[in-house]
Amino acid sequence: NAGVTQTPKFQVLKTGQSMTLQCAQDMNHNSMYWYRQDPGMGLRLIYYSASEGTTDKGEVPNGYNVSRLNKREFSLRLESAAPSQTSVYFCASSEYLTGVKGYTFGSGTRLTVV
Amino acid sequence: SQQGEEDPQALSIQEGENATMNCSYKTSINNLQWYRQNSGRGLVHLILIRSNEREKHSGRLRVTLDTSKKSSSLLITASRAADTASYFCATDEEETSGSRLTFGEGTQLTVNP
Repeated sequence: NAGVTQTPKFQVLKTGQSMTLQCAQDMNHNSMYWYRQDPGMGLRLIYYSASEGTTDKGEVPNGYNVSRLNKREFSLRLESAAPSQTSVYFCASSEYLTGVKGYTFGSGTRLTVV
Repeated sequence: SQQGEEDPQALSIQEGENATMNCSYKTSINNLQWYRQNSGRGLVHLILIRSNEREKHSGRLRVTLDTSKKSSSLLITASRAADTASYFCATDEEETSGSRLTFGEGTQLTVNP
């Protein structure tokens, strides 16, 4: 099934632990994005990658780092997790920046930091 | 900060009725998109309308855009229980040169059988 695959689907971390969220797309899209979604709020952009080899900060980048490993993969790393990073994380991809044809989203990673 | 603001926050209707959701935004845009999110799932792209378009249709969906009022509406006709979901508008702002979408907070639609 073509699309965006995120791993893991669920994760519980202790404060201060680190982890990497993985994202891969098989649609040959150029651009990839990481968003977080908190209850009662829309999606907020953490980082994005317009094309392979480039990354840029979004609205809420603090506490996160990203790597565009190749055209298919875009990972999000939490170096020292904090309770404020408890959220649902979505990876998305698009053929062009801003998705003239729309974004394709993964099914999300539910992260709890205790 | 949120660019798009959906109205209402929640909407409950009976199957067969029409559902209308509104989105207001603040800055000039290149296009506006609507997405659906079923509970516990990722967002799914529904429809895109460009800034020079006023109305667009896709199946039971009708989207309008009024750039003078900086607002858009999504109409779902003859709703079904399967339409129950959250609906988000997303804007491609001219200011950010098309580099990413900004999402609103969403409207939770419940269609009762």
